[in-house]
Amino acid sequence: GENVEQHPSTLSVQEGDSAVIKCTYSDSASNYFPWYKQELGKRPQLIIDIRSNVGEKKDQRIAVTLNKTAKHFSLHITETQPEDSAVYFCAVRPVGTSYGKLTFGQGTILTVHP
Amino acid sequence: ETGVTQSPTHLIKTRGQQVTLRCSSQSGHNTVSWYQQALGQGPQFIFQYYREEENGRGNFPPRFSGLQFPNYSSELNVNALELDDSALYLCASSTGLAGGYEQYFGPGTRLTVT
Repeated sequence: GENVEQHPSTLSVQEGDSAVIKCTYSDSASNYFPWYKQELGKRPQLIIDIRSNVGEKKDQRIAVTLNKTAKHFSLHITETQPEDSAVYFCAVRPVGTSYGKLTFGQGTILTVHP
Repeated sequence: ETGVTQSPTHLIKTRGQQVTLRCSSQSGHNTVSWYQQALGQGPQFIFQYYREEENGRGNFPPRFSGLQFPNYSSELNVNALELDDSALYLCASSTGLAGGYEQYFGPGTRLTVT
């Protein structure tokens, strides 16, 4: 089955700095790559996603890049703010599986210091 | 916040008992997926329901079962509870086969098995 590795497991930055989280996956046929933000005690919230026919997508301070050849994708957060502090999960949808089946990474705890 | 709701919020059960968790999907969404999130880990796919039928299953034993109703709400049933079943149970709704890939999570049910 699909295997997703996420790094780093923890990331600490100063307010205003950039943060980058990277995920690698094993199934080259995977075609959908979302990122979720989960604050303590709350639901995972979809913050950005990308499909396999696109190399990069940006939404204000958040961007995702996809390298299909190397089978990795990354979340970039610029001008970080304390409210960006949360656990971030990448996920992958392998092609040929049911639409609901996402395989998640292990999560990255992001802490933004004021 | 998404329109996905779950009940109950918290639940404490004894090993060997049975439990039913409920999920109401977002308006316009006909597909519901269930995930188990152990503490400090990413969500793990249990199964998905589309048009009242199971449409994909993860690596969970048969004592995890589900239902989807004509209004697209769903139930997750777990029989013969084990201590390792203690986790946050999340449902996610999407437009499934007829629409995009985006999944939106409910707030979850925290199950504790003692």
